[in-house]
Amino acid sequence: DVKVTQSSRYLVKRTGEKVFLECVQDMDHENMFWYRQDPGLGLRLIYFSYDVKMKEKGDIPEGYSVSREKKERFSLILESASTNQTSMYLCASTEYRGDGNTIYFGEGSWLTVV
Amino acid sequence: QKEVEQDPGPLSVPEGAIVSLNCTYSNSAFQYFMWYRQYSRKGPELLMYTYSSGNKEDGRFTAQVDKSSKYISLFIRDSQPSDSATYLCAMSGRPNAGKSTFGDGTTLTVKP
Repeated sequence: DVKVTQSSRYLVKRTGEKVFLECVQDMDHENMFWYRQDPGLGLRLIYFSYDVKMKEKGDIPEGYSVSREKKERFSLILESASTNQTSMYLCASTEYRGDGNTIYFGEGSWLTVV
Repeated sequence: QKEVEQDPGPLSVPEGAIVSLNCTYSNSAFQYFMWYRQYSRKGPELLMYTYSSGNKEDGRFTAQVDKSSKYISLFIRDSQPSDSATYLCAMSGRPNAGKSTFGDGTTLTVKP
């Protein structure tokens, strides 16, 4: 089975803190993603990476950065956390084929910024 | 208009009912069609995926794809209270084959 592991399930951080969310996948997938999910807004793509050290902005990259130093690991960084970044964050990886993909998610990281 | 539209729900059914969850889409190049189940405060779990058209069955779940109508469905037979969750459809294909496009989800409650 594909496994996408998010290291932190629940975090509480203070405004202005730097926050790291870590994600590891064990299926040698090239593509990895960070989404946030908020009630009524669905899944919104923050950043994705299609190879080591490669990244592209998604739909809502402002206030976030990412790091992919190894193929299996993709980190989301909140440089200075703000209350409007309180959300559930989902990491995902895809089994990519030339004409599409199937995407697998981690369990989610619930971040509260106070 | 969104590229993927999902019946919004919420949906409430009695235990044992047949449930139909539906999505429509506009990109005719989509080739992979996926259904996810998401329990409260958990990540989406891949239930089934279908490549191109046709049906796929897995136990009580059947996924159908009608590419001519750009319409996909997930049927749940003999629904159980444990099926209560939010169901998301997702699709992928060219030109952005590395990314998926999601519906907003339908929340299902199965009452004992």
